[in-house]
Amino acid sequence: NAGVTQTPKFQVLKTGQSMTLQCAQDMNHEYMSWYRQDPGMGLRLIHYSVGAGITDQGEVPNGYNVSRSTTEDFPLRLLSAAPSQTSVYFCASSHGLAGGNYNEQFFGPGTRLTVL
Amino acid sequence: AQKITQTQPGMFVQEKEAVTLDCTYDTSDQSYGLFWYKQPSSGEMIFLIYQGSYDEQNATEGRYSLNFQKARKSANLVISASQLGDSAMYFCAMDNFNKFYFGSGTKLNVKP
Repeated sequence: NAGVTQTPKFQVLKTGQSMTLQCAQDMNHEYMSWYRQDPGMGLRLIHYSVGAGITDQGEVPNGYNVSRSTTEDFPLRLLSAAPSQTSVYFCASSHGLAGGNYNEQFFGPGTRLTVL
Repeated sequence: AQKITQTQPGMFVQEKEAVTLDCTYDTSDQSYGLFWYKQPSSGEMIFLIYQGSYDEQNATEGRYSLNFQKARKSANLVISASQLGDSAMYFCAMDNFNKFYFGSGTKLNVKP
């Protein structure tokens, strides 16, 4: 199994450009999520999905869109990139059991995005 | 609101000694999960240990144990017999019905 894969590993954008960060998992996990990691702030949840066709917002959703047309894929779209979106982005997946049950998240390797 | 607090931005420990990394959480729900992840300088997130809110025993995984005090809402990570390879960032996280919340992390440095 490849686990959780993310592409690209690195990306540089200019302000106002749009792009899509790709995320895929081959573990048949229902739950997938996107985080951003900024220095000194830990990981913050952007959007998440509990299954195909279902998405919801996390703590910091503004400026990002997601969709979940298949169980395997969960792309993150930046609509109009801003320097404040310079960050490391992680995608993760898990079985999606409710809180209080074992629900380990498996993380992708991350995408380092710089917006100039 | 859900919240995870890690009050130790950085810590030093001597090799082979034990170290405790603090984590407190805030939730009004009864059902939740608590996790610790390690992030080495290479950047990947490595799962260490899990504690469910209904688990009465403290979780252990090899040299890692989780000191779970539910009434105090704390979930401290204890690393026994520290090794140089334990030098990394450590994040406490809470799963509350599929929303995960992470603390700001503790940078652990193990000295030879």
